[in-house]
Amino acid sequence: EAQVTQNPRYLITVTGKKLTVTCSQNMNHEYMSWYRQDPGLGLRQIYYSMNVEVTDKGDVPEGYKVSRKEKRNFPLILESPSPNQTSLYFCASNDRQEHYNEQFFGPGTRLTVL
Amino acid sequence: AQSVAQPEDQVNVAEGNPLTVKCTYSVSGNPYLFWYVQYPNRGLQFLLKYITGDNLVKGSYGFEAEFNKSQTSFHLKKPSALVSDSALYFCAVKDYGQNFVFGPGTRLSVLP
Repeated sequence: EAQVTQNPRYLITVTGKKLTVTCSQNMNHEYMSWYRQDPGLGLRQIYYSMNVEVTDKGDVPEGYKVSRKEKRNFPLILESPSPNQTSLYFCASNDRQEHYNEQFFGPGTRLTVL
Repeated sequence: AQSVAQPEDQVNVAEGNPLTVKCTYSVSGNPYLFWYVQYPNRGLQFLLKYITGDNLVKGSYGFEAEFNKSQTSFHLKKPSALVSDSALYFCAVKDYGQNFVFGPGTRLSVLP
């Protein structure tokens, strides 16, 4: 089954404790992206990657890092989480072959930073 | 810069009635427009997209959307709403690049 998976689905942590949210897709997509969803703000892009070892900042990159060492994986790293990073996070991927292809989304990770 | 507006936070409609969820956009060049739906505790699911051609686009679950270039709008419609259509709906725009920009979302409630 074609899918985007994220782990963990739920995470409660404390300020300053480094964490990683994993994202993996099995569709051989070149393009992957991370979003955060906050009430009234919709989805805002954090980082995106057009291919292995190619990443770039989205609209709200502060406090986040990413890496793309393999085509299927795109982990999101919070080196020192803060309460304002409490949010719902989504990973997405799409095939860059056609530039108008829709994105496929993971199920989301709900993060709470105390 | 691209932007998307969804002027209604909430849309209420009775089951069986037609529904419309509004979206307007701003983008340089030709737009690629998308609608996604989010059910509780789920990720976003693709509904439909406009690339080029016919201004009326048909998608999943009986939804359709009308592209209006002069009004820069891409409203989502369904002739007869179901209670199961109740969800959060997002409009998104993309230009020739790879970045999607999403609207703030509209919560649709279909009342039995």
